[in-house]
This record gives sequence, structure tokens and C-alpha cells, in this order.
Amino acid sequence: AQSVTQLDSHVSVSEGTPVLLRCNYSSSYSPSLFWYVQHPNKGLQLLLKYTSAATLVKGINGFEAEFKKSETSFHLTKPSAHMSDAAEYFCVVSDPKAAGNKLTFGGGTRVLVKP
Amino acid sequence: DSGVTQTPKHLITATGQRVTLRCSPRSGDLSVYWYQQSLDQGLQFLIQYYNGEERAKGNILERFSAQQFPDLHSELNLSSLELGDSALYFCASSVGAGGLYNEQFFGPGTRLTVL
Repeated sequence: AQSVTQLDSHVSVSEGTPVLLRCNYSSSYSPSLFWYVQHPNKGLQLLLKYTSAATLVKGINGFEAEFKKSETSFHLTKPSAHMSDAAEYFCVVSDPKAAGNKLTFGGGTRVLVKP
Repeated sequence: DSGVTQTPKHLITATGQRVTLRCSPRSGDLSVYWYQQSLDQGLQFLIQYYNGEERAKGNILERFSAQQFPDLHSELNLSSLELGDSALYFCASSVGAGGLYNEQFFGPGTRLTVL
């Protein structure tokens, strides 16, 4: 079985400061990992994905994430937060070898950006 | 805009009733997925269809059913509705059935309120 734990339910940062959202996963295979963002009253948008190529993955809007197998982590970072980054972020895992393509979501981290 | 459309946007109904949610995938996508987002359960995978056939099943209640039609649109039927079924229901689509590069694109969701 696969699972995802997002270590912080809420993160508050000041505009222009770094953002760190922490994610740990549990999986019995080599997973695919994703970060999705959900802005208020909007659908989910893919930020970035890890699919066993480079361990440092660059995504949209200046976000990046590093896959660390030894720590079973996939933390999301951004060097400088912008007001438009205020949203909920989900760490997601899937099994690329499964017959289907079910995504398992973490509990989400809500990001507040202070001016 | 992901290219995935969902109707209706909002639905308000009473306990015991039945509703149908509709999803049209992106052009060219053969897989459709349904997810439920609620405050207590978070985001959960319900079911996946690939080219008209059920491909994977998650925590979908027996009162819920889905199908994918020959034109690839999908419907999620929810019956004998309970207060706890109030949630945001997302549809997603992808090109294939699974694998490493099978990114899912999400629609804007249907917000169901059961009174």
C-alpha cells in the first residue's frame, strides 16, 4: 500500500522569503511523485512530477522538489514566495507499474503569504 | 484551463435523492478518474475508467456508480444521498491507463451539498 504524509497542515511565510513544504511517502515500489496546487475555488493544477529520472525536479512558477529515497521524502521549495502562491498544496504518490493510475493524496498544506 | 469540463458546477439536493455528475475529458484522453474531496476524508480516489472499461477502483461506496460512454465522457451517479456525501467531486483525465508519464489533468469540480 502507498501513503503520503504532509508534515505541516499550515505554513505561513512573508512575501520574498523561501517556502518549504515537507512530504514523506511510504511505498513498496519505486513510486511516481507529484505536487499539485489548489487555489481557492479552483481545480487542481500539477506543479511538478518525479518519475525516476533526475532527483531534483523543476516545476512551474519557480517551484522545485528533491526526491530523497534514503529519507523517503519529496519536499517542495521555492526561493522567494509571491502573494499568488497562497493556496493549498498536495503531495501525491502513484504506482507506475499498477494496472490503473490511482493517485494517493497527502492531507494538504495550506500556505499563507504575508505582505 | 485544463481542458476537462464538469457539469454542473454546484448541486444542492436533499437526503435520499439521486444525482448525476458529468465529466468530459481532454480531447484525446482515454482515461477518466473520479475523486472526492471532503473536509474529514481529504482527497480520495473513487474510480478510473479507460476507454469504456473500469480500470481501477478505490473507496467508492456501493451507492455510487460510474460509467464511461463511447464518446469518452463519464458520469458519476450518487444515490440514496446522505449528509456525509456533501463534498467536492473532481474528474480528471489522462492519455493512457497508467505508467510513468501518465499525467492527470483535473476539472474544476462539482460541489455537492446534501441538505
